Amino acid sequence: AQRVTQPEKLLSVFKGAPVELKCNYSYSGSPELFWYVQYSRQRLQLLLRHISRESIKGFTADLNKGETSFHLKKPFAQEEDSAMYYCALSYSSASKIIFGSGTRLSIRP
Amino acid sequence: NAGVMQNPRHLVRRRGQEARLRCSPMKGHSHVYWYRQLPEEGLKFMVYLQKENIIDESGMPKERFSAEFPKEGPSILRIQQVVRGDSAAYFCASSGGTMSEAFFGQGTRLTVV
Repeated sequence: AQRVTQPEKLLSVFKGAPVELKCNYSYSGSPELFWYVQYSRQRLQLLLRHISRESIKGFTADLNKGETSFHLKKPFAQEEDSAMYYCALSYSSASKIIFGSGTRLSIRP
Repeated sequence: NAGVMQNPRHLVRRRGQEARLRCSPMKGHSHVYWYRQLPEEGLKFMVYLQKENIIDESGMPKERFSAEFPKEGPSILRIQQVVRGDSAAYFCASSGGTMSEAFFGQGTRLTVV
């Protein structure tokens, strides 16, 4: 069955430190991978998707098909990055977007 | 474009009552998804609908829960005879199709007392 795994429920780093939020997926075909973010008291919103290959707010994510991973990275964390982050998977024959359980990122000043 | 609109934002129901949650998708979107978020847990898929059709309801509890997306009007998630365990945040998302970006509403927080 297709699933998305985010092994860390909570990640706490100091401001200015590098951040890596882990995401692994299980799907044998060609998936579409996303990262969504939910800031405090705001709605869930798309942060980035792997096909666009862009950097948003300093975040990047590379799809590694060999390791079935789509880790989210940022070289220097900022306090405003504190939020809940969800990795998500979709694929051509899918009828839904599958989300991981989320990682709460906390940036300490 | 006002985005995905959910109402009410907060809903309190007594055990045994019915809860009706509404979701108006973004203009031009015909795909609607409902997710449930329990405290300290991630988003759990419930149901995926297109206009007048349920496409995938594999995440819906077998009893008391139903969803619809009529030709006119919002999508409705209906919970009959609510129990305390139904207390959660319910999120709706819409998209223009599978593998497209999903846009989320602000959610309805259901509290069963």
